[in-house]
Amino acid sequence: DGGITQSPKYLFRKEGQNVTLSCEQNLNHDAMYWYRQDPGQGLRLIYYSQIVNDFQKGDIAEGYSVSREKKESFPLTVTSAQKNPTAFYLCASIQGSAEAFFGQGTRLTVV
Amino acid sequence: AQKVTQAQTEISVVEKEDVTLDCVYETRDTTYYLFWYKQPPSGELVFLIRRNSFDEQNEISGRYSWNFQKSTSSFNFTITASQVVDSAVYFCALSERNYGGATNKLIFGTGTLLAVQP
Repeated sequence: DGGITQSPKYLFRKEGQNVTLSCEQNLNHDAMYWYRQDPGQGLRLIYYSQIVNDFQKGDIAEGYSVSREKKESFPLTVTSAQKNPTAFYLCASIQGSAEAFFGQGTRLTVV
Repeated sequence: AQKVTQAQTEISVVEKEDVTLDCVYETRDTTYYLFWYKQPPSGELVFLIRRNSFDEQNEISGRYSWNFQKSTSSFNFTITASQVVDSAVYFCALSERNYGGATNKLIFGTGTLLAVQP
């Protein structure tokens, strides 16, 4: 079954730690996106990649980093520079101008 | 710059009422795409519809209908005879097409929380 998988579903981070959220797709899509969602708010774009080995900053890239070494993978690292990382993170993939397919999300909590 | 505005933060209706969710967008491009997504409490986004900028024909799918008007930069979504299962957050989104042919970044509105009371 084709789809997009995010892991883990829940993640806890201590102050000052870096953590990496996984996003894998087997849809052969070129473009992949990371969004952040805070309670009662919309989806804000963190980073996106339209092709392997290339990515662009979204609206709230500070404190985050990504890589796109393989077409099917687009991991997001939440660094210690991100002062308020507690949020719901959604990954998506898109082919051309078609609709985006989303993963089930990762809920990150700072403890 | 791209922007999507969903002015209605929350809407509450009683079952069987009709409800319209508003979406207004801004874009510099003449070629763009508009989307609606549903986010149930589970969190995963469910695709509802995609519309390109050259197709202003309204669309109906069961109890759902969409009204696209370029003159007012709006892409509104109506649910007829709402049901409790329609309770969710609904997002409107916009993507522009760049000159290379691929889509540019996909931008979402802030969403409208729809609560349908039994």
